[in-house]
Amino acid sequence: QITLKESGPMLVKPTQTLTLTCTVSGFSLSSTGVSVGWIRQPPGKALEWLALIYWDDDERYNPSLKNRLIITKDTSKNQVVLTMTNVDPVDTATYFCAHQPNRFNWNRPLDGFDYWGQGTLVTVSS
Amino acid sequence: DIQMTQSPSTVSASLGDRVTITCRASQSISSWLAWYQQKPGKAPKLLIYWASHLESGVPSRFSGSGSGTEFTLTIRSLQPDDFATYYCQEYKTFSLTFGQGTKVEIK
Repeated sequence: QITLKESGPMLVKPTQTLTLTCTVSGFSLSSTGVSVGWIRQPPGKALEWLALIYWDDDERYNPSLKNRLIITKDTSKNQVVLTMTNVDPVDTATYFCAHQPNRFNWNRPLDGFDYWGQGTLVTVSS
Repeated sequence: DIQMTQSPSTVSASLGDRVTITCRASQSISSWLAWYQQKPGKAPKLLIYWASHLESGVPSRFSGSGSGTEFTLTIRSLQPDDFATYYCQEYKTFSLTFGQGTKVEIK
């Protein structure tokens, strides 16, 4: 059974760096074709994809946020970490991590996200 | 970047109604499209992938169609559990852009 769970600070100050951790179970982050992404949702607004990391450490980013994001994984800890620099109140959102399926055994699949964490609300305020 | 535009933003419907939501892409995405259902305070749930393929466990009253730039999600006979917000998402490129959402509310 695949599960994901986000953790991190509930409150960060403007200009600080936000670090979020996604702890996964039910699959290995090093298995061929595995990928995990981060998606956020400001209160009352739409979903926005942020970043994706593949089993082989290939990283992909939303072009509009690329300069502020870093995604990494620690396979031994079953964790995917997202770092966002220089946060602003507009970054206030619920942050989700999610698993992407590999339906066709590709090395680098792109798909919808089939398993999601419960989300963690991060507020950026001084 | 690919833009995804959903319409309508809100649809008011009654139990048993047929509901159709449209999603338009700013350029062709072939069939690389997913649909999600999201309820308040919950994570999105994947309903449809590859534009028309039903995710495992999703009721058959949900269906998706379309290719290229125009897509639809249809709920054949609206049930109480279906009142939620629905999002489309393209995955042709590493923009992985979501639509702005369509809220299905009780009429």
